[in-house]
Amino acid sequence: SQQGEEDPQALSIQEGENATMNCSYKTSINNLQWYRQNSGRGLVHLILIRSNEREKHSGRLRVTLDTSKKSSSLLITASRAADTASYFCATDNGANSKLTFGKGITLSVRP
Amino acid sequence: DTAVSQTPKYLVTQMGNDKSIKCEQNLGHDTMYWYKQDSKKFLKIMFSYNNKELIINETVPNRFSPKSPDKAHLNLHINSLELGDSAVYFCASSQALEQYFGPGTRLTVT
Repeated sequence: SQQGEEDPQALSIQEGENATMNCSYKTSINNLQWYRQNSGRGLVHLILIRSNEREKHSGRLRVTLDTSKKSSSLLITASRAADTASYFCATDNGANSKLTFGKGITLSVRP
Repeated sequence: DTAVSQTPKYLVTQMGNDKSIKCEQNLGHDTMYWYKQDSKKFLKIMFSYNNKELIINETVPNRFSPKSPDKAHLNLHINSLELGDSAVYFCASSQALEQYFGPGTRLTVT
């Protein structure tokens, strides 16, 4: 069954602006991961946050996790046209490394 | 060098046929996966193998049969293809928590 639900489903911003994407999930997790998928390509791992962490940074990416609200957010700062892609959150409940993916958010960054 | 590769990239076939998709990873990972992504981009795990042993087998029709000849390869054989099998199939591998995905195989059943 689907675990993650991202919102918004689609986001269009101007280059240089920040993009914030949210993910909510239903059951307890071991960790939560964000992936990017460019059109016609496979998914690429961006960042992982463990259940005992609240915030993590990687370059222009900042991810937060609120286990009490069962939600996470991904912030991309100073967006670029190359950030145009679909973004997925995926939850890992610790059983056999099984990831459950959300429906994805389509981000369009206008040059 | 491609880390996770899949062949073929595109596969067009008729209903009722049997087809296979191959996956290879050169990352030395112990775990490999097959996912199905539908037309709405929803991605769902189908199978996972750890060191050639099946560890995840989701609710998938038994027309789908994975085979892992060694830990670097995980192939997917599909019997009696149906229209609803049309999707993009992704192979992935992992050693730790993050997964590495192949480029996908777009299967179209006519």
